[in-house]
Amino acid sequence: GEDVEQSLFLSVREGDSSVINCTYTDSSSTYLYWYKQEPGAGLQLLTYIFSNMDMKQDQRLTVLLNKKDKHLSLRIADTQTGDSAIYFCAESMISGTYKYIFGTGTRLKVLA
Amino acid sequence: DVKVTQSSRYLVKRTGEKVFLECVQDMDHENMFWYRQDPGLGLRLIYFSYDVKMKEKGDIPEGYSVSREKKERFSLILESASTNQTSMYLCASSFIRGHSYEQYFGPGTRLTVT
Repeated sequence: GEDVEQSLFLSVREGDSSVINCTYTDSSSTYLYWYKQEPGAGLQLLTYIFSNMDMKQDQRLTVLLNKKDKHLSLRIADTQTGDSAIYFCAESMISGTYKYIFGTGTRLKVLA
Repeated sequence: DVKVTQSSRYLVKRTGEKVFLECVQDMDHENMFWYRQDPGLGLRLIYFSYDVKMKEKGDIPEGYSVSREKKERFSLILESASTNQTSMYLCASSFIRGHSYEQYFGPGTRLTVT
């Protein structure tokens, strides 16, 4: 079945790099996404990667995709207190129904 | 910018009441979604709609129904609210750009059923 797993918590010091990990089970995924949810808010799309790519960089964000191990990671360079939030990875299916499968979310806490 | 709005940020209802949650998007998206978010469970899809009057069940449709009479509006209905429906409800909409299916989310409605 389809499943997306993340660790629940991550704590880093301001200025360090954060790495949030995600594993998925469906090899037919088309796109993989990272969303950010700040307290009391909806989800905001941060970035996404197509399944035939290995890496994507967007300013402080780097996404790495290991298709063999079905492992996705989000690296945030120079982490700031404003990066404290819940981060969700998600995959979309190739079936065309536009459905996402979301992970459980990782709560990132940035210590000043 | 895409804007997805939800009718209420916070809602308190009694067991057995009929509850309507409204979602409106302003970008002419074909697809609209309702999720519930619970700690440790992430987001779970309740229903989605890919066109006016069209709907499909998601992973947890029991106890819910939906209505999409206009393209911009997608309503979630709890016919008879129960305490286990206390949750955060998130609406989303999407278009297809290339094939990326990016979803845009509303701010959420925190529903408490007492």
